[in-house]
Amino acid sequence: AQKITQTQPGMFVQEKEAVTLDCTYDTSDPSYGLFWYKQPSSGEMIFLIYQGSYDQQNATEGRYSLNFQKARKSANLVISASQLGDSAMYFCAMSDSGTYKYIFGTGTRLKVLA
Amino acid sequence: NAGVMQNPRHLVRRRGQEARLRCSPMKGHSHVYWYRQLPEEGLKFMVYLQKENIIDESGMPKERFSAEFPKEGPSILRIQQVVRGDSAAYFCASSRERQATNEKLFFGSGTQLSVL
Repeated sequence: AQKITQTQPGMFVQEKEAVTLDCTYDTSDPSYGLFWYKQPSSGEMIFLIYQGSYDQQNATEGRYSLNFQKARKSANLVISASQLGDSAMYFCAMSDSGTYKYIFGTGTRLKVLA
Repeated sequence: NAGVMQNPRHLVRRRGQEARLRCSPMKGHSHVYWYRQLPEEGLKFMVYLQKENIIDESGMPKERFSAEFPKEGPSILRIQQVVRGDSAAYFCASSRERQATNEKLFFGSGTQLSVL
């Protein structure tokens, strides 16, 4: 069965520093996608970055990059040069070719300190 | 803004009343998904619909919950005889195509349902 695990309920980072949010997944399907979403206190879900299981390179989107380690089944989100506006909940999600549903992790609450 | 529109943003109901949550997908999107988020938890899949069809409702409770996506108008998630345990944030998402492994979902801002 598909599963997403985020083991860090909360993280702190100093402004302008980098932070890594962990995500591990489990699926028997060779074709899958991994997504990260940000949920600020206002509640909306904001798409950040996507990584496909067959992608050769790690995905990057501005200050966001995804450290994809397929053998370890991990897809950690790296945020560089943290900003106060990065304080939010961050969710890792997976979609595989056997289902049309996202499976979400329980999230990591990030707090950026001034 | 042609994003996914959900209303109301906040909905308060007393136990036993009905709750109706509305979702208008992004323009050009014909696939709608409903998710539920309990406090401090991730989103849980409820139902996947296309126009006039329920494709997968495996995440929806068997009783009191129903969903529709008519040919015209928004998708509706309906909860009858609400109980306190139904209090949660309900998110709608849409996609242009049937979700594939690389199909990004666009989410609405959610409806926060509070049952008194």
